[in-house]
Amino acid sequence: AQSVTQLDSQVPVFEEAPVELRCNYSSSVSVYLFWYVQYPNQGLQLLLKYLSGSTLVKGINGFEAEFNKSQTSFHLRKPSVHISDTAEYFCAVRSLIASKIIFGSGTRLSIRP
Amino acid sequence: DAEITQSPRHKITETGRQVTLACHQTWNHNNMFWYRQDLGHGLRLIHYSYGVQDTNKGEVSDGYSVSRSNTEDLPLTLESAASSQTSVYFCASSPGPRDTEAFFGQGTRLTVV
Repeated sequence: AQSVTQLDSQVPVFEEAPVELRCNYSSSVSVYLFWYVQYPNQGLQLLLKYLSGSTLVKGINGFEAEFNKSQTSFHLRKPSVHISDTAEYFCAVRSLIASKIIFGSGTRLSIRP
Repeated sequence: DAEITQSPRHKITETGRQVTLACHQTWNHNNMFWYRQDLGHGLRLIHYSYGVQDTNKGEVSDGYSVSRSNTEDLPLTLESAASSQTSVYFCASSPGPRDTEAFFGQGTRLTVV
């Protein structure tokens, strides 16, 4: 079975500051990893995904994430945030052999002007 | 454009009533999922289906049921609604085992009074 831990429930940052949202996963088999974003009163949309290959993955809106197998982490980063990045961010995992996706508890990113 | 739609978007029901939430996708995806979203818990998997006539229990399936009679639809039924089932429910779909991310509907906010 897989599980995901998002270490921070809320992250406040100032506009134009860098941000890192932390995610650790647990799995006995190889996995795919995802970050989804949920804007207020909306569904989830994919930010980026790691399938294989390069451990640094670039996504939409200037976000990137780095897969670290030894630390079982997949942290999300952005060098300079904007007010429009205010949202909840979910890290997720699925195994290579099953299609169900398991989500973390989410991190609420709030941007201060 | 192909899409995934949930109905209703909002529902208020009384304790003990049976409620069915609809999910319809036009992508012809094999996999469909139901999640509930609660503060502090992120998204938790209720039920999922890998194809017609296939259904599987997720991590929080008690009190819920699904049926898959065609590719496009996976209705979620609450047999006897309870206040603990007040939540936002998301339906998602993905193409198949070799494909990766899931695509989400806009959600149904259910209140049980």
